[in-house]
Amino acid sequence: DGGITQSPKYLFRKEGQNVTLSCEQNLNHDAMYWYRQDPGQGLRLIYYSQIVNDFQKGDIAEGYSVSREKKESFPLTVTSAQKNPTAFYLCASSIDLNGFEQYFGPGTRLTVT
Amino acid sequence: GQQVMQIPQYQHVQEGEDFTTYCNSSTTLSNIQWYKQRPGGHPVFLIQLVKSGEVKKQKRLTFQFGEAKKNSSLHITATQTTDVGTYFCAGGHMGGGTSYGKLTFGQGTILTVHP
Repeated sequence: DGGITQSPKYLFRKEGQNVTLSCEQNLNHDAMYWYRQDPGQGLRLIYYSQIVNDFQKGDIAEGYSVSREKKESFPLTVTSAQKNPTAFYLCASSIDLNGFEQYFGPGTRLTVT
Repeated sequence: GQQVMQIPQYQHVQEGEDFTTYCNSSTTLSNIQWYKQRPGGHPVFLIQLVKSGEVKKQKRLTFQFGEAKKNSSLHITATQTTDVGTYFCAGGHMGGGTSYGKLTFGQGTILTVHP
């Protein structure tokens, strides 16, 4: 089965801790994305990557970091510098950046208390 | 920066009624995509429009892209309970630079259908 997996589905952390969200795809897509979704808001882009070892900041990158060491993996770290980390995080991939549809993973719901 | 506004935020309809959601962009778009997110789920791609004035249909769903490529709409005819969810538009941006390859999502329209 081809697709995108994110783990875990639910994650709980104490304030001040860094946490890393996993995203893996076996679609052989070059481009990968991280979005944040809050109630009543659309998806906001955190980071994206068009190729291994390259990534770009999205609209709300502050307090987040990513890496792209392998084509199939694009983990997101939510650092303690992120002021409001509680949210639903969605990872997506597409063939490349040239306007192709994005395939989304099931998401990770992060709660920080 | 680029903004995509989507209205209405909520729409409650009786089963069988029609439904329309609208998107407007502050800038000219290269393409517009539509996604559906079921409650508790993740966004799923519905369609992409690329050409000025383009209209596409998928069964009861009709998608339009404005002549100026700055607005779009999704119309559902005779809604069913299976149509429940949040519908998002997402605009792709023209040109290169820092906007290349990025989609800007609208806030979404939450559709509820009463049987």
